[in-house]
Amino acid sequence: DTEVTQTPKHLVMGMTNKKSLKCEQHMGHRAMYWYKQKAKKPPELMFVYSYEKLSINESVPSRFSPECPNSSLLNLHLHALQPEDSALYLCASSQGEPGYEQYFGPGTRLTVT
Amino acid sequence: GENVEQHPSTLSVQEGDSAVIKCTYSDSASNYFPWYKQELGKGPQLIIDIRSNVGEKKDQRIAVTLNKTAKHFSLHITETQPEDSAVYFCAASRDSNYQLIWGAGTKLIIKP
Repeated sequence: DTEVTQTPKHLVMGMTNKKSLKCEQHMGHRAMYWYKQKAKKPPELMFVYSYEKLSINESVPSRFSPECPNSSLLNLHLHALQPEDSALYLCASSQGEPGYEQYFGPGTRLTVT
Repeated sequence: GENVEQHPSTLSVQEGDSAVIKCTYSDSASNYFPWYKQELGKGPQLIIDIRSNVGEKKDQRIAVTLNKTAKHFSLHITETQPEDSAVYFCAASRDSNYQLIWGAGTKLIIKP
C-alpha cells in the first residue's frame, strides 16, 4: 500500500482565518514532506520532516507552520495567508533516509480570498 | 544552481504510437531519477525511477533510459492509451538529499 491521505480536499479561507491541513500515511515511512504546486508548474518543496524532526525549511514564510505529531501524521497550520498562497498543497512521504522514493497524496486545493 | 530541463512541453501522439520525453540534468552528482505522472486534480504518481548504476529499466509499457555521460534520461511509453494522457514530470536528486530537482513538465495528449 503506497497511500498518502490528505484532508480536506478543498479549502477556502479568508486572509484573517486560521486553518490546518492534515496528512497521514501508514507505510512506516519516517520522512514526510510538504510541497506547494501552482498551476502548470512542478511541485515546490516547503518542508521536510525526518524522524519527526524538521530537517528542511525552504525559507517558507512564517504564516505556514508545520507540525509532525508522530511518525504517521503531518500538519500544516495556516494563518494570515495572502491570495498568492492559493495553490495545491501536496504531502509526500518516503523512507527516513534521503534518496528514497517519494509517494504523494492527492493534495488540498487551497483558495485564499 | 542545479536544474533539470525537460522537453517537449507538450506532446501529442496517436493512440497506439510511442511517446518519448527527454530530460537533461546539470548536477553530475545526481544519481536518482524518478518520473511522475500527474492527472488533472490529482497528486503526482511515481511511475518509474532509475538509479545511476543502471542504464535502462522497464515496467510493462514504460521504460526509462539513462546516459550518465551526457547527463540525459528519457521516458518511453509504448502502445499509448487514452489513460496515458497526463502531465509527466522528471526529477533528479542525489541520494544524500531529500530535495528533488524537477523538470518543468510535459503535457502528453493521446489522440483517439
